[in-house]
Amino acid sequence: SQELEQSPQSLIVQEGKNLTINCTSSKTLYGLYWYKQKYGEGLIFLMMLQKGGEEKSHEKITAKLDEKKQQSSLHITASQPSHAGIYLCGAEGSGNTPLVFGKGTRLSVIA
Amino acid sequence: DAMVIQNPRYQVTQFGKPVTLSCSQTLNHNVMYWYQQKSSQAPKLLFHYYDKDFNNEADTPDNFQSRRPNTSFCFLDIRSPGLGDAAMYLCATSRGYEGGNEKLFFGSGTQLSVL
Repeated sequence: SQELEQSPQSLIVQEGKNLTINCTSSKTLYGLYWYKQKYGEGLIFLMMLQKGGEEKSHEKITAKLDEKKQQSSLHITASQPSHAGIYLCGAEGSGNTPLVFGKGTRLSVIA
Repeated sequence: DAMVIQNPRYQVTQFGKPVTLSCSQTLNHNVMYWYQQKSSQAPKLLFHYYDKDFNNEADTPDNFQSRRPNTSFCFLDIRSPGLGDAAMYLCATSRGYEGGNEKLFFGSGTQLSVL
């Protein structure tokens, strides 16, 4: 079965700093999703990447998909306290199977 | 504007006492999912419905059951909760397997405590 490994597990950054979170798949990626979760709440969709080399941005968050490396990265520029939360990557397996998720990266942003 | 609604937000039950968690959606999506998420762990898929077709994950314990009486509602029944079943239970929906577009919409979750 497909497994997703996220790094780092947790991250503390100073407000205004840039940061990157990585997600590596054990199998070929057919679609990669990034979600954000606030503590004790549900997951909020951020972005979906489907093609190798694809890059998407929303506000100060950019995600890239490296199909050959079976990896995706999420980059936040000039972090703000509102970026704090848990970032999870999710991936489709082959045959249109439901999403599997990584354990998440817990981000804290300090003033 | 809430599209996937889970009730209750917090549920406390006693060891061995049956409990039901509910989920409703206003998106008219074909697929509804139940995920279990324990602290600092990945959400783990328990089962999902594609319309009325029930799909159980191989490692989902028999203690967990689900019902989908209509398109809008889906229930998670835990017949005899154990201490290890304490977790966040997440309901999600999606339109279906349309060319791989499997964007999931999540509810706020139900945090289950077992005493």
